[in-house]
Amino acid sequence: NAGVTQTPKFRVLKTGQSMTLLCAQDMNHEYMYWYRQDPGMGLRLIHYSVGEGTTAKGEVPDGYNVSRLKKQNFLLGLESAAPSQTSVYFCASSYKASTPNTEAFFGQGTRLTVV
Amino acid sequence: SQQGEEDPQALSIQEGENATMNCSYKTSINNLQWYRQNSGRGLVHLILIRSNEREKHSGRLRVTLDTSKKSSSLLITASRAADTASYFCAPWNSNSGYALNFGKGTSLLVTP
Repeated sequence: NAGVTQTPKFRVLKTGQSMTLLCAQDMNHEYMYWYRQDPGMGLRLIHYSVGEGTTAKGEVPDGYNVSRLKKQNFLLGLESAAPSQTSVYFCASSYKASTPNTEAFFGQGTRLTVV
Repeated sequence: SQQGEEDPQALSIQEGENATMNCSYKTSINNLQWYRQNSGRGLVHLILIRSNEREKHSGRLRVTLDTSKKSSSLLITASRAADTASYFCAPWNSNSGYALNFGKGTSLLVTP
């Protein structure tokens, strides 16, 4: 099993450009999450989804949009990239939080630099 | 939303010593998870403890939970250089939504 796969692994954008980060999981998980990690800030939740077709805002949603058209995929979009969005982005997935096997599985991260 | 706060922010010990890190949270929880992050990698789940449990073991890991103090601790016994990583707690409450939130973590350095 591949687990959680993020595409791409690295990306450099110019200010104002747009891009989409793809997260794919093959574990049939209901929940999926997007985080960003900056030095000294820990992981901050951007958006999450509790099922196909549903999304919700996390702690730092501004400047990002998401879509969950298929259960296995969770897309994170930057419509107009800003230098403040330079970060490492992590995707994660899990079964429903109320079930016994509720641990989250993480992707390997996407390093995004906006210049 | 529920979020844990890890303490200390940084911890440096020698191989063979025990490492203890703590997590505090603000509201009641259903469960609390601990994760490890090696430098530059995604988080890896270590252990989950439910609100009705007080202690749980997994190999060299021991997690305790004190719901009256709203705190949890992670003990790593006989630390190894390979334990060098950041450790995060994630308290979860079904009444505060389905988000899984993390704090800033504890950075553990184990030196030979």
